[in-house]
Amino acid sequence: SQQGEEDPQALSIQEGENATMNCSYKTSINNLQWYRQNSGRGLVHLILIRSNEREKHSGRLRVTLDTSKKSSSLLITASRAADTASYFCATDAQGGSEKLVFGKGTKLTVNP
Amino acid sequence: NAGVTQTPKFRVLKTGQSMTLLCAQDMNHEYMYWYRQDPGMGLRLIHYSVGEGTTAKGEVPDGYNVSRLKKQNFLLGLESAAPSQTSVYFCASSYSDRRVGAFFGQGTRLTVV
Repeated sequence: SQQGEEDPQALSIQEGENATMNCSYKTSINNLQWYRQNSGRGLVHLILIRSNEREKHSGRLRVTLDTSKKSSSLLITASRAADTASYFCATDAQGGSEKLVFGKGTKLTVNP
Repeated sequence: NAGVTQTPKFRVLKTGQSMTLLCAQDMNHEYMYWYRQDPGMGLRLIHYSVGEGTTAKGEVPDGYNVSRLKKQNFLLGLESAAPSQTSVYFCASSYSDRRVGAFFGQGTRLTVV
């Protein structure tokens, strides 16, 4: 079964608004990653947060991690039409697992 | 720097036929992965490898085999294709410490008729 589950499945916002996506996972992890996928393309890595970190920023992206709740959130501020894509979280389980397991993704549409 | 290259990009197979998908990476990554992506299912891990000569099963390994004879290549084989294997297949690679996340190929769209 898939480790991560993103919420919501789909999100539609206006340009300039913030977009927040959530990810919940089942087992303890070493790190959690967020990826972006444009339609018909491969995934692109956005940001990685380690299990001992609580928040991380990269440009307009802000990721938080709450290991006690086994959840993470991705915030995209001041969204642009070009941010329209699907966003996935991925985790590797703690204890030396080399697997990288993805959730089902959130489809974000930013309307101009 | 090509990154991760998948061949072929598209393929149509008849039920029962076999084929091999090739993934090549030029970043000296230790880990390599094969995923399939189906509508509404996200990415599901088929097989993965932590180094040359090693492979391991993922979430959905049935009907697939893999080999990693060289560090830079990871092959995914379908011995007897079934319509249920119609999907988009993605290969990815990463460093073992995942310092910069995984790099993905552009995908192979496979249709089994």
